[in-house]
Amino acid sequence: SQQGEEDPQALSIQEGENATMNCSYKNSINNLQWYRQNSGRGLVHLILIRSNEREKHSGRLRVTLDTSKKSSSLLITASRAADTASYFCATTSMDTGRRALTFGSGTRLQVQP
Amino acid sequence: GAGVSQSPSNKVTEKGKDVELRCDPISGHTALYWYRQSLGQGLEFLIYFQGNSAPDKSGLPSDRFSAERTGGSVSTLTIQRTQQEDSAVYLCASSSLSEQFFGPGTRLTVL
Repeated sequence: SQQGEEDPQALSIQEGENATMNCSYKNSINNLQWYRQNSGRGLVHLILIRSNEREKHSGRLRVTLDTSKKSSSLLITASRAADTASYFCATTSMDTGRRALTFGSGTRLQVQP
Repeated sequence: GAGVSQSPSNKVTEKGKDVELRCDPISGHTALYWYRQSLGQGLEFLIYFQGNSAPDKSGLPSDRFSAERTGGSVSTLTIQRTQQEDSAVYLCASSSLSEQFFGPGTRLTVL
């Protein structure tokens, strides 16, 4: 079964509000990454958090990782209309050693101006 | 080039025809990946090339799918006898370390 299930599936907020997306996974991981996708095409890498890290920041992004619960969250602060996109978490498995990413089904974020 | 490029950007084909999708990775990246994304879904791993090692083909959905990577650079994904369920966006990514850089994808529509 697929790892990296995200919730919510869709999120609509007003500009300026914070957006929080959650991701759960099943296997042991080397790292967890968050990607953004506009209009169903190419993905843009946002942030990587390693399995021995608990929190990481990048600009308006804050990612947490709880390996005991096998979950991660992505927080976008002070959202902008331009943040409207789909957001995916992806993991590489320590169990399989495979470097290919396993993606969740994504959260569609709509930021209303 | 500066990023991963893919061609064509869109491909419409008839059921039963063969198609070839091309990926030009970032120069110097030793790893290359193919993924497939059906409408409204996450990405599904297809195949992975790492240097001169044998490719990891564990994600290919059937023997109609194959890929090669020539000279450690350009890769071609071939789908034979296309079916309607093959319709999806096919994304290529390359990497040198942990971060994967994605191309814009090829949208394949099988009529």
